[in-house]
Amino acid sequence: QSVLTQPPSASGTPGQRVTISCSGSSSNIGSNTVNWYQQLPGTAPKLLIYSNNQRPSGVPDRFSGSKSGTSASLAISGLQSEDEADYYCAAWDDSLNGQDVFGTGTKVTVL
Amino acid sequence: QVQLQQSGPGLVKPSQTLSLTCAISGDSVSSNSAAWNWIRQSPSRGLEWLGRTYYRSKWYNDYAVSVKSRITINPDTSKNQFSLQLNSVTPEDTAVYYCARVVGGYDPYFDYWGQGTLVTVSS
Repeated sequence: QSVLTQPPSASGTPGQRVTISCSGSSSNIGSNTVNWYQQLPGTAPKLLIYSNNQRPSGVPDRFSGSKSGTSASLAISGLQSEDEADYYCAAWDDSLNGQDVFGTGTKVTVL
Repeated sequence: QVQLQQSGPGLVKPSQTLSLTCAISGDSVSSNSAAWNWIRQSPSRGLEWLGRTYYRSKWYNDYAVSVKSRITINPDTSKNQFSLQLNSVTPEDTAVYYCARVVGGYDPYFDYWGQGTLVTVSS
């Protein structure tokens, strides 16, 4: 069902940099902004990055986002144990009368 | 601070109607700059946007193609809340259901979410 493709897992040791990719198409990432959400176990997703690279108030600056063409990336620099979570990209899709679409999700493990 | 509080049954029988409510505090369901959404999450389907309601001089609704024939989202201005009704449910509709606020105009994003409600479809 998920329209945007992410790697199922990523990992790193504390202090390392981890990057998560999100691949879409011209009808979603290619023509709209990308948002990222962090989901801790048993909780609702939380907004992490909006409009490709903007951080909401309270989100540490070790989280950053970028977009190029029909792909986007989330980077976590200075990885911390509390960053262990699922991460999802999302974008508006202009096809099918328009609707929000999400990525398949990436589980980040801190080794 | 916006808060969204969900309520509704956690068990629904096949072919019946799933009904959930999302109570809003810290904003208005009639806001001209927000939209009010339902999203669900299951292991088989991942995160799936279901639909939204919003007010821009009049009320609008948008629904995902996958559920368009079965879904209704209604605002309730008297109680500052909105609801989800999903008809003719099957076990495939078993999921955690979330309500969420969208802001951002032409660059929309979900900035506040409800706590989630696990709905199981089973006889």
